Amino acid sequence: QVQLVESGGGVVQPGKSLRLSCSASGFTFNSYSFYWVRQAPGKGLEWMSVISYDGANKYYADSVKGRFTISRDDSKNTLYLQMNSLRAEDTAMYYCAIGLVGPTDHWGQGTLVTVSS
Amino acid sequence: DIQMTQSPSSLSASVGDRVTITCRASQGIRNDLGWYQQKPGKAPKRLIYAASNLQSGVPSRFSGSGSGTEFTLTISSLQPEDFATYYCLQHNSFPSLTFGGGTKVEIK
Repeated sequence: QVQLVESGGGVVQPGKSLRLSCSASGFTFNSYSFYWVRQAPGKGLEWMSVISYDGANKYYADSVKGRFTISRDDSKNTLYLQMNSLRAEDTAMYYCAIGLVGPTDHWGQGTLVTVSS
Repeated sequence: DIQMTQSPSSLSASVGDRVTITCRASQGIRNDLGWYQQKPGKAPKRLIYAASNLQSGVPSRFSGSGSGTEFTLTISSLQPEDFATYYCLQHNSFPSLTFGGGTKVEIK
């Protein structure tokens, strides 16, 4: 079955960097666009970024544009989110997901990022 | 940018009640909308896609309707496992997606 497993979260100081990973299995990895969605503690869901199935197109929410970079390694069935210049307001649970605009969707369990000095 | 206004932000209801949640889009989005359920500590789970299509495996007490700028999620008879937070998500402006602010459904 489809599995998405995020990792790489943790506590990081403001201004520092962190790279999240999302390991995928149970489906044809290179057939899907991938999304990152985050949720600050006690708050709602926020779309962050999307990468096309072939990696050619990448889009970001204004709140992270220029600081975050989405990428994928099809040989490893893994999605990444490189997060630079982290701010306190980036503290959130980060989810990877597929199929958000299609008839089926799947989400990982999330990885928690805490930005604090 | 398309804004999604969800109402109410919270509601209290009893088991067996009929519950309706609304999302309004700041501009027309055709039927490019999904509804999600999220329980504490869990990832969101989609209930409805394309505004009115029930996701496989989701109980038939959930239904969605609407098109254009106004959408509703209805739970026909609230069950104990339905107490959760619900979100709408528009993808008409793909690649930019927008979630509604959420509706927390609590036990009365």
